[in-house]
Amino acid sequence: EVQLVESGGGLVQPGGSLRLSCAASGFTFSSYAMSWVRQAPGKGLEWVSTISDSGGSTYYADSVKGRFTISRDNSKNMLYLQMNSLRAEDTAVYYCAKRIAMAGMLYFDYWGQGTLVTVSS
Amino acid sequence: DIQMTQSPPSLSASVGDRVTITCRASQSISSYLSWYQQKPGKAPKVLIYAASNLQGGVPSRFSGSGSGTDFTLTISSLQPEDFATYYCQQSYSTPTFGGGTKVEIK
Repeated sequence: EVQLVESGGGLVQPGGSLRLSCAASGFTFSSYAMSWVRQAPGKGLEWVSTISDSGGSTYYADSVKGRFTISRDNSKNMLYLQMNSLRAEDTAVYYCAKRIAMAGMLYFDYWGQGTLVTVSS
Repeated sequence: DIQMTQSPPSLSASVGDRVTITCRASQSISSYLSWYQQKPGKAPKVLIYAASNLQGGVPSRFSGSGSGTDFTLTISSLQPEDFATYYCQQSYSTPTFGGGTKVEIK
């Protein structure tokens, strides 16, 4: 059974930093690209970042580029999101998601339960 | 970025109704479209990928259609467990989601 378990969320002041983690199990982690998707309270879904299966390629939304860093440790089946210079608008539930390619199409087939990040003074 | 516009933002329906949700892309995305269902306090769950392919384990009352810029998610006979918010998402370029459609009980 595929499981994705996020951790590391919490309350942080504007300008602060936080590191999110996602523990993956139930699939060959090193074979899949992984992503972070967030959802502000009462709002829709926003893609944040994706990392390739090897970790050699990373992609970011313009809203977080230069402030967030995605990384992975395939030996530990772990995905990370280092978030620096946090702003109030970064307040959201952050989901870890497994990306799959099927019939040439990319989509997110499994999601974690999410971890809440609150940026406030 | 490609903008995804869903309509309606919300709808009220009864159990057994046929429900249709539309999603329009700001440019052609071929069939690079997925649909997700999200219940309150839960993570999204994929229903449809490549515009019309049913994800494994998803009931056959869900179907998707469309290509290019216009897409549709149809629930043929609404069940109590289908009351949720539905999102479309394009993967033609940097992923973007529609604003969501909340399906409520009439």
